[in-house]
Amino acid sequence: GAVVSQHPSRVICKSGTSVKIECRSLDFQATTMFWYRQFPKQSLMLMATSNEGSKATYEQGVEKDKFLINHASLTLSTLTVTSAHPEDSSFYICSAFGDGLDQPQHFGDGTRLSIL
Amino acid sequence: TQLLEQSPQFLSIQEGENLTVYCNSSSVFSSLQWYRQEPGEGPVLLVTVVTGGEVKKLKRLTFQFGDARKDSSLHITAAQPGDTGLYLCAGTNAGGTSYGKLTFGQGTILTVHP
Repeated sequence: GAVVSQHPSRVICKSGTSVKIECRSLDFQATTMFWYRQFPKQSLMLMATSNEGSKATYEQGVEKDKFLINHASLTLSTLTVTSAHPEDSSFYICSAFGDGLDQPQHFGDGTRLSIL
Repeated sequence: TQLLEQSPQFLSIQEGENLTVYCNSSSVFSSLQWYRQEPGEGPVLLVTVVTGGEVKKLKRLTFQFGDARKDSSLHITAAQPGDTGLYLCAGTNAGGTSYGKLTFGQGTILTVHP
């Protein structure tokens, strides 16, 4: 079945570092990918919609300059957390789906980001 | 803005008991998905319901989509410790600028004690 690969699975770094997270669709082309943030024991919060070949659409309250999204190909979207601070520590998850009404989304396994 | 109200938020039961999780909205969704998520992993799709009134069964899990496609329920029969996890409902819109965007409920943390 369709698989979404997310890398890295865990990152621990110092405050001020920029961190890049990759999301790949392994056996299908994903015109649209989504990036979520999740706090412990809570639901997923949509951060942005990543569209291949165009600018990402950010949800209200999400800083575009803090969370840079690039969707350069039909199989890869990246999320870069720039100048990360402890409050950016969270679980980040991407999802992808191809074209077609009611196609299910497939989620990556998430990235645990810890900023010291 | 579409909202999905999921309840209960927490559920702690004994092995063998039955339970139901609800997702309700004032908005119509073209489809609704149910996911299960374990700590440190991404959500895993359990089922997608698309037709109003639809009922789908997955072993001990029964999913129902409301006639008006505004609500859904997940019923688990004879819960087992392996059912423990975070259950999420999510609705999808068919078109417009929100195409493919999922609206998630708040999630239900289920704990089944042996």
